[in-house]
Amino acid sequence: DIQMTQSPSTLSASIGDRVTITCRASQSISDWLAWYQQKPGKAPNLLIYRASNLKVGVPSRFSGSGSGAEFTLTINSLQPDDFGTYYCQHQGTFGRGTRVDLK
Amino acid sequence: EVELLESGGGLVQPGGSLRLSCEASGFTFNNYGMHWVRQAPGKALEWVAALSYSGSLTYYADSVKGRFTISRDNSKNILYLHMNNLRAEDTAIYYCAKDSPQWLVHYYCDSWGQGTLVSVSS
Repeated sequence: DIQMTQSPSTLSASIGDRVTITCRASQSISDWLAWYQQKPGKAPNLLIYRASNLKVGVPSRFSGSGSGAEFTLTINSLQPDDFGTYYCQHQGTFGRGTRVDLK
Repeated sequence: EVELLESGGGLVQPGGSLRLSCEASGFTFNNYGMHWVRQAPGKALEWVAALSYSGSLTYYADSVKGRFTISRDNSKNILYLHMNNLRAEDTAIYYCAKDSPQWLVHYYCDSWGQGTLVSVSS
């Protein structure tokens, strides 16, 4: 089975910061990767699919890149609404999540 | 607007059974694959099962294979998860989610319900 490894597990940042989260696959997965945001007590929300495609309605400060086995989610100019936990996903496997909190 | 409403969660003893339902509205249900994803308290998301638009193709996580069955009733716009031989480690919030794009399972869950809690304990 393909394993998905996210880093870091926790990230402290300030409003306006540029934030980068990395997701590595244990083998090449082409661009079959999604990113989700989850806030406490809420269901996840799809942000990006096929590694770099922004879901309609998601702010443009979110972007995804990568292919093969290494991927990144970037948040440009972190906003108060962006705090939460982010997950990458390849098919039936989620990463363990990256919690973004206020520095 | 897509709406997904889960129900059927509750407290069940180890070895017991439960059936979860997810009522869908706001989209053409029988055009889309569907998923169940769960989250144990304080833990990461765990994908559980998925099926194609017609229900003819089904997929399961190894942790539930042989115990859980995903199904759908396209005439009623309802997704089901039949859970048998439940274990303590099945305790979690269970979310149903809509796949995207249409027809087969692509594993992009673009809409989610609010979840239903399943607790397995004696």
